[in-house]
Amino acid sequence: DAGVTQSPTHLIKTRGQQVTLRCSPKSGHDTVSWYQQALGQGPQFIFQYYEEEERQRGNFPDRFSGHQFPNYSSELNVNALLLGDSALYLCASSSIGQGDWYGYTFGSGTRLTVV
Amino acid sequence: QKEVEQDPGPLSVPEGAIVSLNCTYSNSAFQYFMWYRQYSRKGPELLMYTYSSGNKEDGRFTAQVDKSSKYISLFIRDSQPSDSATYLCAMSGRDDKIIFGKGTRLHILP
Repeated sequence: DAGVTQSPTHLIKTRGQQVTLRCSPKSGHDTVSWYQQALGQGPQFIFQYYEEEERQRGNFPDRFSGHQFPNYSSELNVNALLLGDSALYLCASSSIGQGDWYGYTFGSGTRLTVV
Repeated sequence: QKEVEQDPGPLSVPEGAIVSLNCTYSNSAFQYFMWYRQYSRKGPELLMYTYSSGNKEDGRFTAQVDKSSKYISLFIRDSQPSDSATYLCAMSGRDDKIIFGKGTRLHILP
């Protein structure tokens, strides 16, 4: 049973560029949440997608946007990259439809470095 | 004041010792309390979750929640070198947005 798959695993971008990160949720899960984890910090909530809609959003600027597809996979887009966007981006899937929303399964993350 | 406070450590203990990890929080609306373990270069892995106050035991792990003190704990008995990781407390209220602590780095010394 495949868990959460994220791609790419590592990425280096230049300030001002745009980046797209991808996530495939665990089989049977319908909800995807994205987190940013800076070095030495806990994950910070970016937003959550359910039924192809942004359901909740954390304190992140509009440069961070996302999308969920009919097959429940998701993308995180970051525009106008800043040095401070360098972090591990984690995707977590869960199943709101089954009332198991707190049983997050995390992927291994995408390490983004902005230079 | 941050919503969730967690001592980042590092915490070093000898193999076989009992480990105690703790978090405090400020939001009284939190009802669901979780502990995640994160190995280097990996995503967090859910260890245990508890609803409201009380204790929950799973093998060598025991989670405690004291809502009156806004304090949660994770105890690891008979600690093993493979338990060396970062432990993240996490919690959520009715909005099911999960808020994480900073994580505590734990080293079990053989």
